[in-house]
Amino acid sequence: QVQLQESGPGLVKPSETLSLTCTVSGGSISTYYWSWIRQPPGKGLEWIGYIYYSGNTNYNPSLKSRVTISIDTSKSQFSLKVSSVTAADTAVYYCARRYASKPNYYFDYWGQGTLVTVSP
Amino acid sequence: AIQMTQSPSSLSASVGDRVTITCRASQDIRNDLGWYQQKPGKAPKLLIYVASSLQSGVPSRFSGSGSGTDFTLTISSLQPEDFATYYCLQDYSYPLTFGGGTKVEIK
Repeated sequence: QVQLQESGPGLVKPSETLSLTCTVSGGSISTYYWSWIRQPPGKGLEWIGYIYYSGNTNYNPSLKSRVTISIDTSKSQFSLKVSSVTAADTAVYYCARRYASKPNYYFDYWGQGTLVTVSP
Repeated sequence: AIQMTQSPSSLSASVGDRVTITCRASQDIRNDLGWYQQKPGKAPKLLIYVASSLQSGVPSRFSGSGSGTDFTLTISSLQPEDFATYYCLQDYSYPLTFGGGTKVEIK
């Protein structure tokens, strides 16, 4: 059974960089797309971006200038960095596996989510 | 970016009721749409993909339909464990975008 687990600081100061890691277990990190999705408290879901196991990335233009997603296949981990954070970046951050084989696309495995609060 | 508009934003229903949630895309997305269920404090769970395919393990009371710009999620007979928030997600083009969510509450 594939499992994803987010890890990283729960509190980040404004203007600093948010850093999270997602560890994948129970399955291969290869041949899939790996995404980050966030959800501000009490609000809806926002797709942040993905990284393919080969290293190709695609980011949401709303965050593109501040986001970097990287992957370490040897550790079965992928990571998220969001720079210059503000209170608006306070959210539960989820990592998720994206199955993408035409014509089927979906997020089939998710981490439990981790709350990141941006506060002085 | 493709805008996804869900309606209603919330609804109250009783156990056994038939529930319908709609999602409208701002442009044609073929059938590249999924439905997810989220319970408080939990990650979303995939219910339906490519508009009408039921994910393995999901009860058959859930069904999806539609193509182009208009989509529907139907729960044929609402069960106590179905009270949750439901989101649609368009998989047609990047950036991927979710609907605003529909909260299904107990009447």
